[in-house]
Amino acid sequence: DIVMTQTPLSSPVTLGQPASISCRSSQSLVHSDGNTYLSWLQQRPGLPPRLLIYKISNRFSGVPDRFSGSGAGTDFTLKISRVEAEDVGVYYCMQATQFPYTFGQGTKLEIK
Amino acid sequence: EVQLVESGGGLVQPGQSLRLSCTASGFTFGEYTMSWFRQAPGKGLEWVGLIRSKAYGMTTEYAASVEGRFTISRDDSRNMAYLQMNSLKIEDTAVYYCIRLYDYWGQGILVTVSS
Repeated sequence: DIVMTQTPLSSPVTLGQPASISCRSSQSLVHSDGNTYLSWLQQRPGLPPRLLIYKISNRFSGVPDRFSGSGAGTDFTLKISRVEAEDVGVYYCMQATQFPYTFGQGTKLEIK
Repeated sequence: EVQLVESGGGLVQPGQSLRLSCTASGFTFGEYTMSWFRQAPGKGLEWVGLIRSKAYGMTTEYAASVEGRFTISRDDSRNMAYLQMNSLKIEDTAVYYCIRLYDYWGQGILVTVSS
């Protein structure tokens, strides 16, 4: 199975400041079709997860442009340019390149 | 608007069975792969399995932890996906989510396996 490792696991951030979460996979996430199926999900307290970013850097419908994704191969990053109060929650990276699909442990974003 | 609504959860004893349903609306259901994920209380996310669309043979894939016990099916005429869970174990206790791969998530339904 592909192991997804997120850092940090907890991220206290000041409102209006940037935040960054790293995700590393144990093997390349480049699929045989040429795509890299690395997604980022946000789970606000008490709510289901929702998709933020798919295929490394594509923002999903309705996601604010302060969220951006980057990376390639085995190293990926989610950045929030200016953290807002509504961004509090747990962020997960997920790979869907190879079965079984696997997730990072989650990074808890909280406001200082 | 895409909507996914899970139903059928509840409390069951170890070894028993349960079937979850996912009612979809707002999109052409038959064109999409549907998947189930779960989240144990206070834990992270786990992929359970998926069923491809008819165009891809309605084939299925499962996580090793549920292979042979869980079965995913779909009824495109009713815009529904199902998760049949047999031989349930205590460690299957979780909120189960129905997902239109890879974007929309349902609200989730709690399954508790306890004696």
